[in-house]
Parts: sequence; structure tokens; C-alpha cells
Amino acid sequence: QKEVEQNSGPLSVPEGAIASLNCTYSDRGSQSFFWYRQYSGKSPELIMFIYSNGDKEDGRFTAQLNKASQYVSLLIRDSQPSDSATYLCAAFTGGGNKLTFGTGTQLKVEL
Amino acid sequence: GAGVSQTPSNKVTEKGKYVELRCDPISGHTALYWYRQSLGQGPEFLIYFQGTGAADDSGLPNDRFFAVRPEGSVSTLKIQRTERGDSAVYLCASSQRGTSNSPLHFGNGTRLTVT
Repeated sequence: QKEVEQNSGPLSVPEGAIASLNCTYSDRGSQSFFWYRQYSGKSPELIMFIYSNGDKEDGRFTAQLNKASQYVSLLIRDSQPSDSATYLCAAFTGGGNKLTFGTGTQLKVEL
Repeated sequence: GAGVSQTPSNKVTEKGKYVELRCDPISGHTALYWYRQSLGQGPEFLIYFQGTGAADDSGLPNDRFFAVRPEGSVSTLKIQRTERGDSAVYLCASSQRGTSNSPLHFGNGTRLTVT
């Protein structure tokens, strides 16, 4: 079992819709979770981080964390074509030293 | 500098050669990380430095890979006797404290191609 799992997609949504990206993790000791956006040929860019159960909102982005279910999600409201990218979920694992990434979900926002 | 700087941006080498990849972290960041990313995959952890010491090198695939950070700032990832399977993008990241509530910030990466 991978430590951080994501559906590779692609996930296609129409412009203006809500995109929902999901991630599960296996290390119950993980306390902090991160979402990165990666455009093709570029390096990962931090979008959001979340440490507490519940929702955290930042502009069009909302991160959701459920530690009991070991589940993290990212919602993107009013999706734009410029949101088309791969979204990487990451969690600190192994006692907190190492940020472990999922394989990423490719999002396509269609006009 | 404003961000994490990695050099070179591209490196082509022949199988069996030695390569060095350099990372200059964000000023004041105590933690530095090396990752490797292959096409279609997420970044794979290699090694993490807190200051000058390697706090976790569990991701280094074998003894051909070695990294140093002698003065607690710039780091060099060294690969001996390169193999074609080493071809990937090597990403460096730094964080302010190296704790689990301190986000990582990535450089632009070095694309290594072994022919």
C-alpha cells in the first residue's frame, strides 16, 4: 500500500464548475498535509496546507481533512482553464521528517 | 535569493560518468530536501538535511548516490557511475524549520539525462 494515494485522472470539469480532488494516506501518525500544483515541465508550487480536521479556505481553494478516515481533499471553485495542471497531495510521514507525495491527479478544465 | 536555485537546469551525461547537482536554498531556511521525479510520478524522497547533517537519507536508492551540505546552506547531490535509470528531474526544496508544519518550497529542478 502506498503511503499517499491519489487517482491519477485525468479529471475533466467544465469552466466555472467545482473540481474535487481526493487523497488518502496510510500513516495514522501523519499530522500535516499539503497540496501542490504542478504545471507540465515545471516544479511543484505550494497551494495549501492543512493540519486540523475540517475545512480550510483560501480564495477559490478549500482543503478538507478527515483524520479518522485518513482522507484529504482539495476543492477548486469556479474552475478556470489556468487551473489545468497536476495536483499533488503530500503528507509528512515516518515521524515527521519526510514529505511523501502521491502520484498526482491531472485536472483538465474545459472551455 | 528569492527562491530555491538549482544548477544546472539540464545535464546530459554518458553512462558511467560522475555528476554533481547543486542546490542553493532560500536564505535562512534550515532544512533542505532532495527529491527525484520521473514522468507521470510524484516526487520521490531522497534525503533531508537539517543544518549540515543528513537527518534522513532513507530514500537514497544505493551507494552511488551521496549528498552533502557542508556549511548548512548550499547542497550538492553527487551521483557516481551513472546509469540510464538515473534519468529524471532532480528537485531540491527548502523549508524554514524542517518541522511538519513548515511547508517545502521547490526549485526549478535539474533534468538529468544519462545516455
